[in-house]
Amino acid sequence: DTAVSQTPKYLVTQMGNDKSIKCEQNLGHDTMYWYKQDSKKFLKIMFSYNNKELIINETVPNRFSPKSPDKAHLNLHINSLELGDSAVYFCASSRGMGNQPQHFGDGTRLSIL
Amino acid sequence: AQSVTQLDSQVPVFEEAPVELRCNYSSSVSVYLFWYVQYPNQGLQLLLKYLSGSTLVKGINGFEAEFNKSQTSFHLRKPSVHISDTAEYFCAVSTYGGSQGNLIFGKGTKLSVKP
Repeated sequence: DTAVSQTPKYLVTQMGNDKSIKCEQNLGHDTMYWYKQDSKKFLKIMFSYNNKELIINETVPNRFSPKSPDKAHLNLHINSLELGDSAVYFCASSRGMGNQPQHFGDGTRLSIL
Repeated sequence: AQSVTQLDSQVPVFEEAPVELRCNYSSSVSVYLFWYVQYPNQGLQLLLKYLSGSTLVKGINGFEAEFNKSQTSFHLRKPSVHISDTAEYFCAVSTYGGSQGNLIFGKGTKLSVKP
């Protein structure tokens, strides 16, 4: 009964490749997020979607493109992967924004060779 | 803009001792405050939150935190820690509504509980 699930859990690939990470939530939430956690554990918001519409798009290279086919899914596609993209990517969801706690997936560890 | 400062990057403590993890925030508007815990190789779990009302909030696993508006602090405390509390702890702030509603995280505090 995983609330927020991400696939894959681990992703090892070469520089220059294109990859996708999928996220699904079964909590009935209307807002979903992508975060990047670097090697020093620092967490930074990348994107948020509310009812399938992009709300927040922080300073992220346009090689990163989120796609939300419905309210329960928010996928992250990354083109032309670079060494600096190595990190753990977390998906999260919440009911609305601001005062609602966010529920996180277990993360996708992306390693670029 | 909002920011969060967690003053200690690492806190070692012996089992059954009390612990306080410090968090200060900066914001020009009213905020919501959260503490999350991250166990190894897992995502973040909500420990507790302050939205309004009583400044002392209780969370899961025996943790509590006190909101102090004048000192812009939201320190996390536990009177007696267990080995299983070893994890990374993140303080986070968000503001009201709309595009301001995203979470801003501190850099985390690694709590290591020793037997």
